[in-house]
Amino acid sequence: GAGVSQSPSNKVTEKGKDVELRCDPISGHTALYWYRQRLGQGLEFLIYFQGNSAPDKSGLPSDRFSAERTGESVSTLTIQRTQQEDSAVYLCASSLGTGFDEQYFGPGTRLTVT
Amino acid sequence: GDSVTQMEGPVTLSEEAFLTINCTYTATGYPSLFWYVQYPGEGLQLLLKATKADDKGSNKGFEATYRKETTSFHLEKGSVQVSDSAVYFCALAASGGSYIPTFGRGTSLIVHP
Repeated sequence: GAGVSQSPSNKVTEKGKDVELRCDPISGHTALYWYRQRLGQGLEFLIYFQGNSAPDKSGLPSDRFSAERTGESVSTLTIQRTQQEDSAVYLCASSLGTGFDEQYFGPGTRLTVT
Repeated sequence: GDSVTQMEGPVTLSEEAFLTINCTYTATGYPSLFWYVQYPGEGLQLLLKATKADDKGSNKGFEATYRKETTSFHLEKGSVQVSDSAVYFCALAASGGSYIPTFGRGTSLIVHP
């Protein structure tokens, strides 16, 4: 079946512009995670959605970052007034349920802020 | 809080050499432990996992044993191939009730013919 998909695969934007990144999880996966991966660094947790529960936003680095998820389907990560330090690969992952479960990752969106 | 520490890379080996990538962790409770692999240009994918002490995860010739006494989950492979060149991430999950996995910084492996 289809895996996790993300779009766009690459995004170049000017400093100060807003960007929206999209994630389509695997059908039936109730949990969805967003991560940021800076060049040569590990994964930085951003936000976690589980079913219809309130999301865990504890990893969002500033109020310029926000994310939404429609039910148990598509999620969008929005970065307002982008800064150069926002340049990174943004990864989305979904899983069947709890943190014990394997995560399935999308290929990521490479964001470059000029 | 929870943390995962991996050995610094890159690890450079010749084909058919023995591989060890060290991973140690700090966690409350009894986490599940994972190794993920990221091939060039691709997303992370699960390589193997172990859910309780003394469990051994294995896949594609890779193995790792959950050692609670040393809080370690070292990744090993007896004979690496060029196609194993990738970045390897150690991770733990669901410790102390949190559903947020904790990832290490990743270790780059380069295998030469």
